[in-house]
Amino acid sequence: EAGVVQSPRYKIIEKKQPVAFWCNPISGHNTLYWYLQNLGQGPELLIRYENEEAVDDSQLPKDRFSAERLKGVDSTLKIQPAELGDSAVYLCASSLDGAATEAFFGQGTRLTVV
Amino acid sequence: DAKTTQPPSMDCAEGRAANLPCNHSTISGNEYVYWYRQIHSQGPQYIIHGLKNNETNEMASLIITEDRKSSTLILPHATLRDTAVYYCIVRVDSSASKIIFGSGTRLSIRP
Repeated sequence: EAGVVQSPRYKIIEKKQPVAFWCNPISGHNTLYWYLQNLGQGPELLIRYENEEAVDDSQLPKDRFSAERLKGVDSTLKIQPAELGDSAVYLCASSLDGAATEAFFGQGTRLTVV
Repeated sequence: DAKTTQPPSMDCAEGRAANLPCNHSTISGNEYVYWYRQIHSQGPQYIIHGLKNNETNEMASLIITEDRKSSTLILPHATLRDTAVYYCIVRVDSSASKIIFGSGTRLSIRP
């Protein structure tokens, strides 16, 4: 069974440009998470979905970040416009539901803003 | 969710047991202790979790003190592939519970 799939694996963009990350969770997983991880730090939660509903987006910088999870399956995280400080790894994870024991993480997308 | 405290780094000889400590002195009665690890360039991976009893699986053992204010993750026979950052997390098992990562412990296994 395929795990959580993220694309692209790497992305380099100029500041002020838009960028989008895509996540395909494990089939049947209702809960989907997006995390941001800066170098040398632990992942920080940006947003959590239960099916297609964003149930926790309190840490998402809504002025430039947006996310969607159409039909409660795949999800897209967008930044517009990107800033130099957005350079980080963006991780997607999924679990059966919000109370599930284990969350499964993708390999992440490494974003570099120049 | 309660916070955890872990040493920033540790090292261990290959083949020996690696014992990673975690303090969670403000843990609530319904919060579980979880451990994840993150190997370089990969996403975090679940290892083990427990409430108050010691737990063991194919990857590791988890020892939780009787007062539940601290715990130790034990990798019984560390290999080079166990080199990773290990995160101790406390969370309740509910749909509203977040998985909040701290800075973790960077474990280096020396040959």
